[in-house]
Amino acid sequence: NAGVTQTPKFRILKIGQSMTLQCAQDMNHNYMYWYRQDPGMGLKLIYYSVGAGITDKGEVPNGYNVSRSTTEDFPLRLELAAPSQTSVYFCASRPRQQNTEAFFGQGTRLTVV
Amino acid sequence: LAKTTQPISMDSYEGQEVNITCSHNNIATNDYITWYQQFPSQGPRFIIQGYKTKVTNEVASLFIPADRKSSTLSLPRVSLSDTAVYYCLVGALSGSARQLTFGSGTQLTVLP
Repeated sequence: NAGVTQTPKFRILKIGQSMTLQCAQDMNHNYMYWYRQDPGMGLKLIYYSVGAGITDKGEVPNGYNVSRSTTEDFPLRLELAAPSQTSVYFCASRPRQQNTEAFFGQGTRLTVV
Repeated sequence: LAKTTQPISMDSYEGQEVNITCSHNNIATNDYITWYQQFPSQGPRFIIQGYKTKVTNEVASLFIPADRKSSTLSLPRVSLSDTAVYYCLVGALSGSARQLTFGSGTQLTVLP
């Protein structure tokens, strides 16, 4: 039982490049989330999903896309990377049952230069 | 989603009890109060959750007054390793409240 696994751990992108941040969970959780955390700041919700095939925008969705084709995977796509997307990205999941705790991955540190 | 307000930072010394208060004036009837802890370069970790009165686990206690407009996370006898950011979240899984939204959190620094 690995929990929530994020890959890669670190990445440097050039402006205008694209990439996909991977997130996988093996706990059969319905709910999954993507956050970004800028230095010294709190977590901002980018996108979330309540189940396979269902996604919705969070607080800061611009510049990102997501898909949820399976329960286990919730990849985050960055198109045309910009320096403002330099951040640490966290993926999380939790069960559908009411008021359960969320489990977070270890994060992906992304730098756009 | 209920908005939460926490102190930006707090300092304490090893061995002291630390109380971090969170205000959530527009908490809804179905909302629970949840606290997470985040160490540098790590994802947040669940600490405790409650609905009313008092909840205690092996890590912390959570005090919620009758009007539920605030809550207090209590950490007994803190150590240096408790230095972290603590987030208070308010919400439920009903209706549109499926988001898990974090505020700015409280940076707790434990001094020797």
